[in-house]
Amino acid sequence: DSGVTQTPKHLITATGQRVTLRCSPRSGDLSVYWYQQSLDQGLQFLIHYYNGEERAKGNILERFSAQQFPDLHSELNLSSLELGDSALYFCASSVDYADEQFFGPGTRLTVL
Amino acid sequence: DAKTTQPNSMESNEEEPVHLPCNHSTISGTDYIHWYRQLPSQGPEYVIHGLTSNVNNRMASLAIAEDRKSSTLILHRATLRDAAVYYCILPYGGSQGNLIFGKGTKLSVKP
Repeated sequence: DSGVTQTPKHLITATGQRVTLRCSPRSGDLSVYWYQQSLDQGLQFLIHYYNGEERAKGNILERFSAQQFPDLHSELNLSSLELGDSALYFCASSVDYADEQFFGPGTRLTVL
Repeated sequence: DAKTTQPNSMESNEEEPVHLPCNHSTISGTDYIHWYRQLPSQGPEYVIHGLTSNVNNRMASLAIAEDRKSSTLILHRATLRDAAVYYCILPYGGSQGNLIFGKGTKLSVKP
């Protein structure tokens, strides 16, 4: 158990819909990262937040957005969902930028 | 951004050492080299990271070439539980925390 929690574990929805994935980092960790893992693309870095502020963006689509709240939990919002958005979404946290990242168990999103 | 090159797959026998290579010829002087692994049906797990000198922890050792253009992750005694995809990663966009995972090396361990 990494100490990072993600909810829900599984999510099944339809194309065009909007979903919110939630991540609670380890206690004391200020950085939260979001990754997407699909069969054809591998593990893709999406976005990084540090203490409530966006620090870096990776391959995140404009239909996706994220935020980190004052209590340091983070949410990833996915809208206008397409079949290709079906993937595992991982959240990771670390104390600071260069520290080891602890990954959550992931949320499996299926878009039908 | 610097990229890494790893073999697609490797095989090892249980209780033997495993050396997983990684090339990163375009690494910048301040980039740490990170290694993570992903066991089947789990999220990635931190293994080790280093900058210049060799590093050891309870899981593995990291040997970094003097010119830093390559590194080797060493598992001293492979167990069946070490079967996983191992990723050698350099940071992205100048921030040490932003990790770009490549395809990694799939390690199989035979009993």
